Amino acid sequence: GAGVSQTPSNKVTEKGKYVELRCDPISGHTALYWYRQSLGQGPEFLIYFQGTGAADDSGLPNDRFFAVRPEGSVSTLKIQRTERGDSAVYLCASSLSVTGNTGELFFGEGSRLTVL
Amino acid sequence: AQTVTQSQPEMSVQEAETVTLSCTYDTSESDYYLFWYKQPPSRQMILVIRQEAYKQQNATENRFSVNFQKAAKSFSLKISDSQLGDAAMYFCAYRRGTSGTYKYIFGTGTRLKVLA
Repeated sequence: GAGVSQTPSNKVTEKGKYVELRCDPISGHTALYWYRQSLGQGPEFLIYFQGTGAADDSGLPNDRFFAVRPEGSVSTLKIQRTERGDSAVYLCASSLSVTGNTGELFFGEGSRLTVL
Repeated sequence: AQTVTQSQPEMSVQEAETVTLSCTYDTSESDYYLFWYKQPPSRQMILVIRQEAYKQQNATENRFSVNFQKAAKSFSLKISDSQLGDAAMYFCAYRRGTSGTYKYIFGTGTRLKVLA
């Protein structure tokens, strides 16, 4: 498809388990962002990539969270030893670049993570 | 650090009427972008309107317009001729224009209800 694709759309896991969330950005978009959105709240920044490198990971809450983008396209958000507080919708967004453009983010539909 | 504040958790408007959503932000930067994003119940966020801080003219997109007051750090969204399809969460967002981090900072959102 032409839009940002996120899988899975829903994930239910048990406390302590490992989870991977995948994001496939729009083709040609070099910037990729991860956000976390809790119920009734605004998106909370986690990390963004420009190409393969993490340009700003200041939003990752702790070392249980990690994200990669090895080839500058698909990105995976990895959460180790999940906790109930990790339950949220994880949003991925991409943009053409971080500079020299209109700044519009294109969002996926999100991955809803529920930790029991 | 930059912050974005939306002080109206919920607003209602009669169909065909006009409504204004408020947003204030705090930054020491002079070059930045401001955005309004819409998130319908389906969850996927879409861009409604964008404003570059260096432009004095307020942005407009069909029925949507902004009132950008740079000195007051205010960025309100006006929706004219409201339609049932406008019902959604609306998020105000900020991003630096040049250098440093290009993360987007979102407010907590305003839920807009449109009454038939």
